[in-house]
Amino acid sequence: QVHLQVSGPGLVKPPDTLSLSCDVSGDSITSGHYWDWVRQPPGGGLEWIGYVYHSGSAYYNPSLKGRVFMSVDTSNNQFSVKLFSVTAADTAVYYCARRFYPGSGTYYYDSWSQGILVTVSS
Amino acid sequence: SYGLTQPPSVSVSPGQTARITCSGDAVSKKYVFWYQQKSGQVPVLVVYEDTKRPSGIPERFSGSSSGRTATLTISGAQVEDEADYYCYSTDSSVNPLFGGGTKVTVL
Repeated sequence: QVHLQVSGPGLVKPPDTLSLSCDVSGDSITSGHYWDWVRQPPGGGLEWIGYVYHSGSAYYNPSLKGRVFMSVDTSNNQFSVKLFSVTAADTAVYYCARRFYPGSGTYYYDSWSQGILVTVSS
Repeated sequence: SYGLTQPPSVSVSPGQTARITCSGDAVSKKYVFWYQQKSGQVPVLVVYEDTKRPSGIPERFSGSSSGRTATLTISGAQVEDEADYYCYSTDSSVNPLFGGGTKVTVL
């Protein structure tokens, strides 16, 4: 069974960089699925941030306007996200998640980390 | 547009049927998935590929899809079904799309 563990600071000052890591166990990060970051502002809905593939290729939500960077560390079976120039609007619970490919059809989320609340405040 | 639209809230009495809709172009082209999120918890998959139910999910949860609208039905809703429900699909690439979420109240 896949287990994802998110880690990082719970408080970030504007306009610093938010950095989170996700350790993956129970599956290899090279297994062919996508590795995503999703966030949820307090009282709000789920927002996709982006995904990274084991090759290192990544795709980001255009709404984040070039403020995000994702990377993968295959030797340690983990992946990471950096969100630059944060503001209070980036305060949210952040999740890392595996987006599973069943072989045909649609990629979908089948494993999530526990969320980490990141507050952006000076 | 590939957005997914859900009603903000649905209320139902215990034992009654709750229906949550999810509308958008993606629904007619890709599979729809439904996630249940209880307060302070991680989303849980309750329906996948429009109509299928993961193991461990009660039979009262079912999904359907026709044209641009997918529906999650909770038949005989229980108090423990109170949660936010999100539909999910992908756009013409593989980029995720989430609906805005529907708060289901059972009282």
